[in-house]
Amino acid sequence: TQLLEQSPQFLSIQEGENLTVYCNSSSVFSSLQWYRQEPGEGPVLLVTVVTGGEVKKLKRLTFQFGDARKDSSLHITAAQPGDTGLYLCAGDGYGNKLVFGAGTILRVKS
Amino acid sequence: KAGVTQTPRYLIKTRGQQVTLSCSPISGHRSVSWYQQTPGQGLQFLFEYFSETQRNKGNFPGRFSGRQFSNSRSEMNVSTLELGDSALYLCASSSGQGVGNTIYFGEGSWLTVV
Repeated sequence: TQLLEQSPQFLSIQEGENLTVYCNSSSVFSSLQWYRQEPGEGPVLLVTVVTGGEVKKLKRLTFQFGDARKDSSLHITAAQPGDTGLYLCAGDGYGNKLVFGAGTILRVKS
Repeated sequence: KAGVTQTPRYLIKTRGQQVTLSCSPISGHRSVSWYQQTPGQGLQFLFEYFSETQRNKGNFPGRFSGRQFSNSRSEMNVSTLELGDSALYLCASSSGQGVGNTIYFGEGSWLTVV
């Protein structure tokens, strides 16, 4: 069974601070996706990483895929209140079955 | 292009009843997957359909079923509803082919079982 451990579970920080969310597994994934979800809405895709060691940047967000394709991280620089939400990592398992981490609830206070 | 559309958005059912949820994928996408999201279990995979065939299935009881039509639209059905079936049901659409193909989610259908 493929599992993804996501940490931390909760983060409450002040505007302007930096943060990192981690996603780890003992399994290898062909790709890994990061989503952001707001209350009452479906997850919105932020990025897909496919190649081991890959780094992708999306404005103040930096995503990294581990060399062995077993782990990933999301780093947010100078967090803003608009970054508040649930962040989910998801590994591409067999076929189109996504294996999700438990999620990180981020709250950015102004 | 239009996103993934799910209907209904909200519904309340009584224990023992059955429910059907509908999903229209992004135009051109042939894969539709269904997920259940609850506070306790997070997001869990139910099943995936590709070109009208179930290609992958999660660990849910047989009360949960689905189908896909020739136009790629999909429905999922839950029979003999239990209180624990209360959840956000999410539909996801993708091309269904290749590594790292992007998967897009709809806004979900909120099901409350009373």
